[in-house]
Amino acid sequence: EAQVTQNPRYLITVTGKKLTVTCSQNMNHEYMSWYRQDPGLGLRQIYYSMNVEVTDKGDVPEGYKVSRKEKRNFPLILESPSPNQTSLYFCASRMGQGVPEDLFGQGTRLTVV
Amino acid sequence: GDSVTQMEGPVTLSEEAFLTINCTYTATGYPSLFWYVQYPGEGLQLLLKATKADDKGSNKGFEATYRKETTSFHLEKGSVQVSDSAVYFCALSSGGSNYKLTFGKGTLLTVNP
Repeated sequence: EAQVTQNPRYLITVTGKKLTVTCSQNMNHEYMSWYRQDPGLGLRQIYYSMNVEVTDKGDVPEGYKVSRKEKRNFPLILESPSPNQTSLYFCASRMGQGVPEDLFGQGTRLTVV
Repeated sequence: GDSVTQMEGPVTLSEEAFLTINCTYTATGYPSLFWYVQYPGEGLQLLLKATKADDKGSNKGFEATYRKETTSFHLEKGSVQVSDSAVYFCALSSGGSNYKLTFGKGTLLTVNP
């Protein structure tokens, strides 16, 4: 079954404590991306990756890092989380650069206190 | 830049009622248009898409027609069910180096029995 798997699903952490949210896809997709979803703002892209070792900033990259060392994994790293990064995060992947039919993970709800 | 405007709701309907969720867009060139659905506690799923003017996307009884002259992509369903209760997102992609999805803010639909 084609799927995008995120972990953890829920996370409560304290300001400044580094954390990583993992994302893995089993479809050999080239393109992966991270979004955050906030009430009244919809989904906004944080970072994207067109292939292994190729990443770039989306619309709201501040405070986040990513890496793409292998095709299946695309972790999101918060080196020093702050309360304004409390949000619902989604990882997504797609086959290529054509019509973007993204497959989304189930989401990670992050709370930074 | 690209943008999507959709009615924010919430929308509350009785079972078997007719549904319309309005969506209009601003984009350069000829974007592809999408509706995604997010059921409670889940990630987004592609509901339907249209890639050129006058195309009609359809799935699970939902329909939307790509209207270039009015820059619109309204979602409709003739008879909603309780199981259609979800958040609906209109989105577009106008290509470019990222083929990024730009989302509207989402519309919460609640269908009562």
